[in-house]
Amino acid sequence: AQKITQTQPGMFVQEKEAVTLDCTYDTSDPSYGLFWYKQPSSGEMIFLIYQGSYDQQNATEGRYSLNFQKARKSANLVISASQLGDSAMYFCAMREEVYNTDKLIFGTGTRLQVFP
Amino acid sequence: EAGVVQSPRYKIIEKKQPVAFWCNPISGHNTLYWYLQNLGQGPELLIRYENEEAVDDSQLPKDRFSAERLKGVDSTLKIQPAELGDSAVYLCASSLDWDRALSNEQFFGPGTRLTVL
Repeated sequence: AQKITQTQPGMFVQEKEAVTLDCTYDTSDPSYGLFWYKQPSSGEMIFLIYQGSYDQQNATEGRYSLNFQKARKSANLVISASQLGDSAMYFCAMREEVYNTDKLIFGTGTRLQVFP
Repeated sequence: EAGVVQSPRYKIIEKKQPVAFWCNPISGHNTLYWYLQNLGQGPELLIRYENEEAVDDSQLPKDRFSAERLKGVDSTLKIQPAELGDSAVYLCASSLDWDRALSNEQFFGPGTRLTVL
């Protein structure tokens, strides 16, 4: 079974609008961390936001927020006020404490395109 | 602060040829990772180093891939001989010593895009 599932291969959003990128995960470990990374065409993965499984509040970082629904095992990324520079691939990733390693497992990504 | 540096950025070779990728992590980062990213996929870990020691190389195809991290700083990933299926992006990342914090962030380089003809 896929550990991280991103069902949207591509998304379009108009500049200044909000967009939600979906991510669901599969783990039986009660302690885990969820990450979102952005990968522009230049290639590097840029860390955006982190959510711990025991965090009481949804994580926020500037225009990025994470809609964490633990019972549904979803960790959707919300980008508010989209900008043209937000056009990129977006990857959801998970780290599980049970493996006692900092290994990250990534989803297949969602390509976001922001149009004027 | 300089980020993770990788070279070359692009490499085109013929199958059966050897190829090597180089990575310089962020200063002070003792943990270094090599990831493979196939087209349309997320990165997958190949090998992780803590200082000079390869602590997780379970996903590294050891028949043709090798890696080293002499002196615990720069690292080289080698493929010999390359196959058509090795065409992909090879990403290097680094992080501070892992203290078992789930939030430990990995910093990525721009990657090397390999094309095997």
